[in-house]
Amino acid sequence: ETGVTQSPTHLIKTRGQQVTLRCSSQSGHNTVSWYQQALGQGPQFIFQYYREEENGRGNFPPRFSGLQFPNYSSELNVNALELDDSALYLCASSPSVGDTEAFFGQGTRLTVV
Amino acid sequence: GENVEQHPSTLSVQEGDSAVIKCTYSDSASNYFPWYKQELGKRPQLIIDIRSNVGEKKDQRIAVTLNKTAKHFSLHITETQPEDSAVYFCAARSYNTDKLIFGTGTRLQVFP
Repeated sequence: ETGVTQSPTHLIKTRGQQVTLRCSSQSGHNTVSWYQQALGQGPQFIFQYYREEENGRGNFPPRFSGLQFPNYSSELNVNALELDDSALYLCASSPSVGDTEAFFGQGTRLTVV
Repeated sequence: GENVEQHPSTLSVQEGDSAVIKCTYSDSASNYFPWYKQELGKRPQLIIDIRSNVGEKKDQRIAVTLNKTAKHFSLHITETQPEDSAVYFCAARSYNTDKLIFGTGTRLQVFP
C-alpha cells in the first residue's frame, strides 16, 4: 500500500451535477497531482498542487478545479458533469515538486449517467 | 506538444519467455521515466524507473533501458510468469514541469 487514500471509491452522478473527490497524501508529502484515466487509456494529467498552490495544469476546462489544504490533503471538483467525465480519477502524492516517484491512490471510479 | 508513444498495445507470450515494451517521448526536457503496472481495477504501481543520467537499470527480472539520443526507452521482462499479466504504462516527466505524460498502455498476457 502507498499510504495515499482516496474517497469515495465509486460514485454515480447525473449529467449536469457537481462532484467532489478527496485525496489524503502520504505522510510527509506536500505535492499532490490529479489524473483522469478513461477506460482503456493512460492517465491524463489534470493539475498539481504544491503547498496549497496550483503548480501546473493539463488540458482540462475550468470546470475542473481543485484545492489543497494545510495538511496537504486535496480535493478535485468537477462542475457541470458530462458523460465523457466518466473515468477513474487518480491522485498521486510526492515528497516535493520535481522529486522522485509519485505514489498513486486506489482511485475513484466516477460514472456519469 | 508533449507526447509518449507506446508499442505494442497488446503482447502475448508463453510463460518463461521474455517480453519487451517500447516507448518514445517527444519532450527533450524529459529526465525521469517510470514504468507502472496496473491490474484490472487497481492503482498503477511503480515497478521500475530510470533517470536521464543512466542508460540502464535492472531489478531482478525487470530491466529498463534509455537511449536519450533517440528518445527511446524500453521495459524488458525476463522469465515471464502468469502473474506478470497486466497493463503496463510508460511515462515521462520533464525537469521544467512536474507532470507525468503517460503512454497508451500495453496489455501483457502470459500464458502458462
